Amino acid sequence: DTAVSQTPKYLVTQMGNDKSIKCEQNLGHDTMYWYKQDSKKFLKIMFSYNNKELIINETVPNRFSPKSPDKAHLNLHINSLELGDSAVYFCASSQGSTGLREQYFGPGTRLTVT
Amino acid sequence: GENVEQHPSTLSVQEGDSAVIKCTYSDSASNYFPWYKQELGKRPQLIIDIRSNVGEKKDQRIAVTLNKTAKHFSLHITETQPEDSAVYFCAASKDSGGYQKVTFGTGTKLQVIP
Repeated sequence: DTAVSQTPKYLVTQMGNDKSIKCEQNLGHDTMYWYKQDSKKFLKIMFSYNNKELIINETVPNRFSPKSPDKAHLNLHINSLELGDSAVYFCASSQGSTGLREQYFGPGTRLTVT
Repeated sequence: GENVEQHPSTLSVQEGDSAVIKCTYSDSASNYFPWYKQELGKRPQLIIDIRSNVGEKKDQRIAVTLNKTAKHFSLHITETQPEDSAVYFCAASKDSGGYQKVTFGTGTKLQVIP
């Protein structure tokens, strides 16, 4: 009974390539997030969508473009990958953009750029 | 923006001893403080949370205290067990422009020595 799933789990690619990570949640939540966790384990929010609408867009290079086709899916496309993009990317979801709710995280996608 | 500081960055305790992790936040408007546990290679998962109208909350061996005046909150784990070994993240959250924004601390790596 997967709540928040991500594909792929591992992604190894070369500098300059373009790649996508997909996220799906079956919890009926209306808000989804992308986080980046670097090698020091810092968790930094990148984007948040509520009902397919972008509500948080932190200072992220415009090579990163999120896309939410519906409220159960939030994908992340990365253009012109750089070495510094290597990290674990977590998708998360919560019920309601307000109301201070628990976030449910996906299993993460470990991206390695060589 | 919100700034959350977390200490210590690493913590080693003997099995059966207590562990305390402390966090401070900067934005007095923050009103929800979750704690997440991340085991090695796994996703962060909520273990306990506290809202600003509560000073203390306990769940079995885990307790969290909040001091709104001083803007700090702490996680207490009693009778630690090897399975408590993980990275723990504190976070501060508030409603911001109609959405919830969560800022994570830098994490504490807890090692429980059998």
